[in-house]
Amino acid sequence: QVQLVQSGAEVKKPGASVKVSCKASGYTFTTYYMHWVRQAPGQGLEWLGMINPNTGMTKYAQKFQGRVTMTGDTSTTTVYMDLGSLRSDDTAVYYCARERGAGHYFDPWGQGTLVTVSS
Amino acid sequence: DIQMTQSPSSLSASVGDRVTITCRASQDISKYLNWYQQKPGKAPNLLIYTASSLQSGVPSRFSGSGSGTDFTLTISSLQPEDFATYFCQQSFNTPRTFGQGTKVEIK
Repeated sequence: QVQLVQSGAEVKKPGASVKVSCKASGYTFTTYYMHWVRQAPGQGLEWLGMINPNTGMTKYAQKFQGRVTMTGDTSTTTVYMDLGSLRSDDTAVYYCARERGAGHYFDPWGQGTLVTVSS
Repeated sequence: DIQMTQSPSSLSASVGDRVTITCRASQDISKYLNWYQQKPGKAPNLLIYTASSLQSGVPSRFSGSGSGTDFTLTISSLQPEDFATYFCQQSFNTPRTFGQGTKVEIK
């Protein structure tokens, strides 16, 4: 079955960087775009950006331009999201999600990775 | 960016009630509107895509309607496992944007 498995929780200091991985299985990795979405504690969902694992093409939310980098490794069917210059308000659960269908909806999602930024 | 406005932000309902959640887009998004359910500590789960298509495995008590700027998610007869938070999302363009969520609580 289609599955996205993310790396474990991270604790980082302000100013540091974090790299979250998302390993895909159960489908052809290069066929589907992958998105990253985050959710701060008790808050809504915020889109960070997307990657085409086949070409490496990325598109980022303007808010995160210059701070986020998304990459993919076809040999391990894994995508990565690297967020730098971390601040306390980057504390959130980060999700990867596969884009599917002509409607470009997200299915499935990874289980989430909690990133805590604290001094 | 397309703004998505959900209402209400929360509601209390009883098992068996009919529940309706609305989502309004700040511009025409055709049928590029999706609904997700999220339970505490879990990732969102796709319920409805392209406004009215039921995701495989989702109970038929869930339905979606609308096009353009106004959309509705309906639960025809609320079940105990439906108490959760629901989000709408537009997939018309990037940045993908979400409604702020509707928390459905037990009355």
